[in-house]
Amino acid sequence: EVQLLESGGGLVQPGGSLRLSCAASGFTFGTYAMTWVRQAPGKGLEWVSDINSSGGSAYYTDSVKGRFTLSRDNSRNTLHLQMNNLTAEDTAVYYCVKQTHYGEFDPWGQGTLVTVSS
Amino acid sequence: AIQLTQSPSSLSASVGDTVTITCRASQDIGSGLAWYQQTPGKAPKFLLYHASSFKTGVPARFSGSGSGTDFTLSISSLQPEDFATYYCQHFHSYPIIFGQGTRLEIK
Repeated sequence: EVQLLESGGGLVQPGGSLRLSCAASGFTFGTYAMTWVRQAPGKGLEWVSDINSSGGSAYYTDSVKGRFTLSRDNSRNTLHLQMNNLTAEDTAVYYCVKQTHYGEFDPWGQGTLVTVSS
Repeated sequence: AIQLTQSPSSLSASVGDTVTITCRASQDIGSGLAWYQQTPGKAPKFLLYHASSFKTGVPARFSGSGSGTDFTLSISSLQPEDFATYYCQHFHSYPIIFGQGTRLEIK
């Protein structure tokens, strides 16, 4: 069974940093692209970032470019999202998601809440 | 960026009804559209890929159709567990975009 377990969320002040991690199991991690999707309280889903299976290419939504960095450690089956210079607009539940080979998002982790507030 | 417009944004229906949700893309995305279901407090679940193909285990009352710019998700014989929010998503090109969601409520 595929499992994705996020960690690292919490309360941070504006301008601060957090590092989210996602521990993956139940599949050959190094052969799948991975994704982070976030959901602000009461709002819809927003794609944040993708990384290809090797970790050589990552893509970001415009609002996080230059502030967030997505990386992966295929030897440890883990995904990391380094988030810097956080603002209130980054407050959301962040979901770690495995991509199918076609590109759809399945499955999703349970999410970790990031709250940016003073 | 390719935008997705879902309609309606909310919908009330009764158990046993049939409902249809529409997702329109701002440009041709072929069949590169997926649908997700989210119940309150839970992570989204993947339902349909390539606009019309079921994920294994998705009940047959769910169906999808469309290609190009116009897509639909239909749910027939609504069951209590179907009342949720539904999102379409394209993965044709970056940035990947979700529709704004359709909240399906019990009448």
